[in-house]
Amino acid sequence: QSALTQPASVSGSPGQSITISCTGTSSDVGNYNLVSWYQQHPGKAPKLMIYEVTKRPSGVSNRFSGSKSGNTASLTISGLQAEDEAEYYCCSYAGSSTYVFGTGTKVTVL
Amino acid sequence: EVQLVESGGGLVQPGGSLRLSCAASGFTFSNNWMSWVRQAPGKGLEWVANIKQDGSAKYYVDSVKGRFTISRDNAKNSLYLQMNSLRAEDTAVYYCARAHSGSYPGAFEIWGQGTMVTVSS
Repeated sequence: QSALTQPASVSGSPGQSITISCTGTSSDVGNYNLVSWYQQHPGKAPKLMIYEVTKRPSGVSNRFSGSKSGNTASLTISGLQAEDEAEYYCCSYAGSSTYVFGTGTKVTVL
Repeated sequence: EVQLVESGGGLVQPGGSLRLSCAASGFTFSNNWMSWVRQAPGKGLEWVANIKQDGSAKYYVDSVKGRFTISRDNAKNSLYLQMNSLRAEDTAVYYCARAHSGSYPGAFEIWGQGTMVTVSS
């Protein structure tokens, strides 16, 4: 149950698009379409942004989108806004009814 | 309003025990998988345990197996985490989370505000 690998930080200017990667193995990300993404502002609880790789919960902006290729899932934020500055975590089903989170990525809006 | 409110955190000595509670409101508690997720100070998120709607299935991360027990009382709309043999590495904010109603147990849609557990002598 090793944590999924994410880049420590990603940055972009307002209006730009950025992509955060989430790399696992064939035992988790690569074997199931059960990846979710969370946004966490400092001192706050996480917020579900994407589930089942590509689905957006009600109320989440369509500027957020998810995808997966092989053992790597990705979260893309388009039209970057100041309010998107936060920590982002991926999470994957890892078999045997267990789940593993990513290491987290700090998004900075320049 | 859909809400989860955790309680029961605090300071405990290594080897000690603590019981966390999570009170749910604004939705039909018995319809959803529930989980505990923790976050050590300055660190990332870690899934700890989850429990099926009727309590018939429970799963844990390896590091807490045999020490932590997740349970629920659907009549009281409450989720619990009994933590025994606590270690310094269990120090974290513990979040209660509800699964997305239309998806799998690991799509954590609703979160509480968290309760801090500190294990230290």
